[in-house]
Amino acid sequence: KAGVTQTPRYLIKTRGQQVTLSCSPISGHRSVSWYQQTPGQGLQFLFEYFSETQRNKGNFPGRFSGRQFSNSRSEMNVSTLELGDSALYLCASSFKRDEAFFGQGTRLTVV
Amino acid sequence: TQLLEQSPQFLSIQEGENLTVYCNSSSVFSSLQWYRQEPGEGPVLLVTVVTGGEVKKLKRLTFQFGDARKDSSLHITAAQPGDTGLYLCAGASGTYKYIFGTGTRLKVLA
Repeated sequence: KAGVTQTPRYLIKTRGQQVTLSCSPISGHRSVSWYQQTPGQGLQFLFEYFSETQRNKGNFPGRFSGRQFSNSRSEMNVSTLELGDSALYLCASSFKRDEAFFGQGTRLTVV
Repeated sequence: TQLLEQSPQFLSIQEGENLTVYCNSSSVFSSLQWYRQEPGEGPVLLVTVVTGGEVKKLKRLTFQFGDARKDSSLHITAAQPGDTGLYLCAGASGTYKYIFGTGTRLKVLA
């Protein structure tokens, strides 16, 4: 069974640009969550989608948005990038509530 | 705001030693997960504990969920260099939303 796939693995963007990250969940998993990981703040919850609907949202500004498609694949978008957005962005898929399977992440560097 | 505090933050031990990592909160969680993360990779789920007082064993790793479901511990017996990594606890908060702990970085020296 294939795991969670995130693309791209690495990304370098300039301040002010926008970026879109992609996540393909494990087949059959309908819940997809996104997290931001930084050395200072650790792993922080961004949002969670289930059947194309956002069910949960963390405390991030509106520049962070996401969506989920009918095949459960999800994208995350960050507009007007800031230096502080540099982080490892992780996607997790779940079939049931008490288990989350993570992808390898996308390392975003904003310069 | 729900928070999960892990201790210690850093741990460097010799191969063969035992260790315990703690995960504490003032909030009750419906379940708690433990993950291990290696550099440049995503966290890998080790175990989920659901019932207060529950103990689960995974080879040399023993996980315990506190009776009040506010804390958990991870005990590693006879640590090996392959156990090196960042250990994270995460509490389920609401539906499919996880609060992650501050992390414990473990290094096992050969």
